[in-house]
Amino acid sequence: DAGVIQSPRHEVTEMGQEVTLRCKPISGHDYLFWYRQTMMRGLELLIYFNNNVPIDDSGMPEDRFSAKMPNASFSTLKIQPSEPRDSAVYFCASSLIGQETQYFGPGTRLLVL
Amino acid sequence: AQSVAQPEDQVNVAEGNPLTVKCTYSVSGNPYLFWYVQYPNRGLQFLLKYITGDNLVKGSYGFEAEFNKSQTSFHLKKPSALVSDSALYFCAVREAPGNTPLVFGKGTRLSVIA
Repeated sequence: DAGVIQSPRHEVTEMGQEVTLRCKPISGHDYLFWYRQTMMRGLELLIYFNNNVPIDDSGMPEDRFSAKMPNASFSTLKIQPSEPRDSAVYFCASSLIGQETQYFGPGTRLLVL
Repeated sequence: AQSVAQPEDQVNVAEGNPLTVKCTYSVSGNPYLFWYVQYPNRGLQFLLKYITGDNLVKGSYGFEAEFNKSQTSFHLKKPSALVSDSALYFCAVREAPGNTPLVFGKGTRLSVIA
């Protein structure tokens, strides 16, 4: 099993640019989570999906952030326009219904200049 | 609301000595508790979990954790530390069963010195 796959692993962009982060969950998993990790706030949930449907997006910081899951094997997190305070590591995780454990991808390290 | 506290930002231990990384939690119902480890430039790796049953939970790489309901704690332990255990450790909790999101502590950096 390849695990959760995220791309890109690193992204450097300039303020105002659009950024798209991608995630491929573990095959067969029903749940997908997007978390953000910063020094100040630690790990915090942004949004999660069940069977491709967003369940809770209350952690999305503002309208500049959007997430989609067009099918069971792909999700995107988009920031438009990006700001320096969005610099963080963004993790995607997936889990299987009936199992308690979430499995994390390697993360995307985003730097907005 | 559920929350997790990891009171130590940094734990230093000599190789071969026992290690403990502390975690306390707050939930309104029954806790579902997890430990994850993060190595540099890597994602979080699952170590172990407590859902129900025996208070002593054994996990990967020789780690174990003890659930203490009266003290609302779930400390991570290992009898003999290795240099390769040096990493960032996260405790996490949820108060509902199933696939709801986790609430993470701030993390504790473990440094094992040879």
